[in-house]
Amino acid sequence: DIQMTQSPSFLSASVGDRVTINCKASQNINKYLNWYQQKLGEAPKRLIYNTNNLQTGIPSRFSGSGSGTDYTLTISSLQPEDFATYFCLQHNSFPDTFGAGTKLELK
Amino acid sequence: EVKLLESGGGLVQPGGSLRLSCAASGFTFTDFYMSWIRQPPGKAPEWLGVIRNKANGYTTEYNPSVKGRFTISRDNTQNILYLQMNTLRAEDTAIYYCARSEYYGYNYWGQGVMVTVSS
Repeated sequence: DIQMTQSPSFLSASVGDRVTINCKASQNINKYLNWYQQKLGEAPKRLIYNTNNLQTGIPSRFSGSGSGTDYTLTISSLQPEDFATYFCLQHNSFPDTFGAGTKLELK
Repeated sequence: EVKLLESGGGLVQPGGSLRLSCAASGFTFTDFYMSWIRQPPGKAPEWLGVIRNKANGYTTEYNPSVKGRFTISRDNTQNILYLQMNTLRAEDTAIYYCARSEYYGYNYWGQGVMVTVSS
């Protein structure tokens, strides 16, 4: 199985800050990497697919990058509605695997 | 509009069985792979398995963590996805989601259904 190591686990930031969240795969995942945002009581919502493609309807302050084993989600200027938990997902090979999550909190 | 609606969750005793359903609408069901994903309270999601589409013979893949206990199937006449769960354990307690599998991953998820395994 491919392991996804996500960091940091917790992130404290302020409105307007630029933040980055990282996921490192245990082997090359060929850019088959999604990023999700999850709020309490809701299903995960996809933000980014295939590393750097913005899901329709998602604000452009969200962006993704990476290749090989290392991937990054960047939020360029945090808005109040962005405080949530974020997960990465690799779907290069079964079983698909998720990162452990990053909880983004208001400082 | 794509809709996925899970049902069948609840409280079950350790060692028991439960079958979850996911009613799909708004797309051609037989064209898509369909997956089950679960999320224990306060933890990350875990992919459980997938059933392929008609073109790929409706074959299945499972996470080794549940292989042999969980079975995914589909009723393509009623557009329903199933998850049969046997020999349930406390660690199977989670919210269970169905999701439409696509080349680019999972965009459409159901709202989830809670399964609690406890005596």
